[in-house]
Amino acid sequence: ETGVTQTPRHLVMGMTNKKSLKCEQHLGHNAMYWYKQSAKKPLELMFVYNFKEQTENNSVPSRFSPECPNSSHLFLHLHTLQPEDSALYLCASSQLSGGAQETQYFGPGTRLLVL
Amino acid sequence: AQKITQTQPGMFVQEKEAVTLDCTYDTSDPSYGLFWYKQPSSGEMIFLIYQGSYDQQNATEGRYSLNFQKARKSANLVISASQLGDSAMYFCAMREVIQGAQKLVFGQGTRLTINP
Repeated sequence: ETGVTQTPRHLVMGMTNKKSLKCEQHLGHNAMYWYKQSAKKPLELMFVYNFKEQTENNSVPSRFSPECPNSSHLFLHLHTLQPEDSALYLCASSQLSGGAQETQYFGPGTRLLVL
Repeated sequence: AQKITQTQPGMFVQEKEAVTLDCTYDTSDPSYGLFWYKQPSSGEMIFLIYQGSYDQQNATEGRYSLNFQKARKSANLVISASQLGDSAMYFCAMREVIQGAQKLVFGQGTRLTINP
């Protein structure tokens, strides 16, 4: 399924800039996630939103600020980032069902370069 | 704590051959789920196949099958009749549930290259 979109696809920003990443899911899901994928490191979960409520903040620095205004949209606000924050940022969504299989569906990601 | 290990950083396979990508996991939870995702160079993580810890049979989805050996804690992905379009990164992941939300823990991934 390709029901998760992310914008922008590519972003270059300076360390003093403020930018936002946007994620939208068209699958009717009620949970959304932000992941960070750095080179040569496993995918790292950053934030989890369950019915618009943040349920997980995986020790992420405060220069990353998530926002989930409704169950279809998720933002990641960025400010005063560091070069080591350069990575692929992936958004995902899932439908909470309590069942054995709850598959997360991912967007195409935003490739971020911090100069 | 859960852990996913993929020991093959890269694999090269001839087109039309079958390929097995290894994945071992470590968990003390009796109930867990295992996923495989494909990530082409475009970046999107594409869901391929799922195996539940209580499933009696190995999962299959088209050319993908999962060789689930519970006692060995391994969940290897088998791709039959490989195609050039199968060239990508492949990630094994394990599900855990935190406050009703699913959390996936990913392995390091295996880069698969299919040669013509």
